[in-house]
This record gives sequence, C-alpha cells and structure tokens, in this order.
Amino acid sequence: AQSVTQLDSQVPVFEEAPVELRCNYSSSVSVYLFWYVQYPNQGLQLLLKYLSGSTLVKGINGFEAEFNKSQTSFHLRKPSVHISDTAEYFCAVSDSSYKLIFGSGTRLLVRP
Amino acid sequence: EAGVAQSPRYKIIEKRQSVAFWCNPISGHATLYWYQQILGQGPKLLIQFQNNGVVDDSQLPKDRFSAERLKGVDSTLKIQPAKLEDSAVYLCASSPPVLSISEAFFGQGTRLTVV
Repeated sequence: AQSVTQLDSQVPVFEEAPVELRCNYSSSVSVYLFWYVQYPNQGLQLLLKYLSGSTLVKGINGFEAEFNKSQTSFHLRKPSVHISDTAEYFCAVSDSSYKLIFGSGTRLLVRP
Repeated sequence: EAGVAQSPRYKIIEKRQSVAFWCNPISGHATLYWYQQILGQGPKLLIQFQNNGVVDDSQLPKDRFSAERLKGVDSTLKIQPAKLEDSAVYLCASSPPVLSISEAFFGQGTRLTVV
C-alpha cells in the first residue's frame, strides 16, 4: 500500500533563506509524485509533479523537487523564500490506480 | 476553465443531524475524489469514483457516510448521523480522463463543524 511520510511538521525559516521540505514515500510499483500547497481557508494548489523523465522537477513560485528512487524521496526546495510562501505543504503519491495519497503536511513559516 | 465547485462553504450542525455536501467537478474529468481533512492533518481519501463507478471506498465509514456520483458528473457526500469527530474540511477533487496520469484539481472545500 502507498504511504507518504513528511517528518517535519513545521519548518521555520527567515525570509530570503533557502528551504527544504522532506518527503519520503513507500510504494512497490511505479509512482507519481506531487507537491501541493494550501493557504489558509483555501483548497490545495499544485506546485509541481513528477510523472516520468528528468528527476529534477521545476514548479511554480520558484520551487523545485528531486525524485530519488533509491532513497524513495521527493524533497521540495526553494533557494530563497518569501513571506508569501508561508503555508502548509503536502506531498502526495499516486500510481496506476489513480489513488492519490497525502502526507500529513509541513507548515512552512517564513519570518522577516 | 471553471474549477471544481463545492457547496456549501461552511456548515454547522448538531451531532446526530444529517448533512450533505455537493461537488461539481471540472467538465470532462473522469475521476472524482472526496477527502476529509481534519485540522492539522493531511487530506484522507474517503472515496474515489471513476465516472460513476466506485474505485475505492475502503476508508469511508459506511455506517454513517454515503456518496454517489450521478451520471458520472456531480457528486454528493452525505453524513447521517453526524458525530463530533466528523468536524473537518471536506475536499472534492477531480482529475482528467483515464488515459493519462495527471494532477488532481481541488475545490475550496466545505468546512463542517459538529456541535
């Protein structure tokens, strides 16, 4: 069965500093990986996705993630964060069943 | 392109009452999901439809929750009777036809408070 682990429940960081949000997945078949962002009182918005091909994926708002099959990871990075990046970030995994499973989320808190 | 529409946005009910949520997915999207998101947690999949058939409802509490997707388009999720622990945001999402993997597009959710 698929599962997603986001070890960090909250990541505080200063504005303009780099950040990495960690995501590990568990699946026995080919996987498709996603990062979503959720702002307060909003639905989830896709940041980026890995379906196949290049393991380095670039998304919106300057975020990128790297698919590492040997480490079963899909960590999200941004070289310089802004106050507006403060939000909840969710990693998700899917496979050929189209079942989409989410992690517990990481709250990114950007301080001035 | 219109997004996923959900209504109502907010609902407050007393325990043991019933409630229903409505979702209109993006036109042409075959897959529809209902998720429950309890405060401080990630979304938990309740049920997944492919057109009007159920693909997965393993985490749906079937003694009180029910869902249907008429004609493979709109969907309703019902809770009867509601419990305090059902307080959560209920998210509906849809994704494109079965021939390709793609991301799910989410509605803004319905925030349910059971008192």
